[in-house]
Amino acid sequence: NAGVTQTPKFRILKIGQSMTLQCTQDMNHNYMYWYRQDPGMGLKLIYYSVGAGITDKGEVPNGYNVSRSTTEDFPLRLELAAPSQTSVYFCASSSQVIYTFGSGTRLTVV
Amino acid sequence: DAKTTQPNSMESNEEEPVHLPCNHSTISGTDYIHWYRQLPSQGPEYVIHGLTSNVNNRMASLAIAEDRKSSTLILHRATLRDAAVYYCIRDNQGGKLIFGQGTELSVKP
Repeated sequence: NAGVTQTPKFRILKIGQSMTLQCTQDMNHNYMYWYRQDPGMGLKLIYYSVGAGITDKGEVPNGYNVSRSTTEDFPLRLELAAPSQTSVYFCASSSQVIYTFGSGTRLTVV
Repeated sequence: DAKTTQPNSMESNEEEPVHLPCNHSTISGTDYIHWYRQLPSQGPEYVIHGLTSNVNNRMASLAIAEDRKSSTLILHRATLRDAAVYYCIRDNQGGKLIFGQGTELSVKP
């Protein structure tokens, strides 16, 4: 029972580079989320999806893009990495009752 | 504002009960109250949730005030493994959880 799997666990990017953070869940949850967490702070919602083909902005969507072509996968795309995007990124899915989080991707932009 | 108010930090002794307060004075009648915790270097994990009645599970108890403007997460016997940041979150069932700052709980042996 894998739950929510995020890859990679760590990544260093140079300013202006792009990358995709992968997230997959095996619980058949319709709802999926991307959060970021800066040091010493709570989680902030970037984007979320209520089902395949449907996505919506959260609190801090600027600089990011998402897609949801399948129920299982919800990748997060950074097009032009900036130092302000240095953070830990968490993916989550939910049954609308209990949310399950991945173990996070630690991203550093230099 | 959908966020809740919690103390920044609390301390507890091992084997003693811990009461973590949360204020949600603007909560609406259909908002659930969720508690999640985040252990160091991990993603948040579900602890408990409720609507109106007090709730118990194997991890904790949730006491909800009669007017629903506040709630308390109760850890009956704190262990060193309970040291974490605890988040109290209003869930308006709109499909997303909005996190606040949480309470950092430290447990002394």
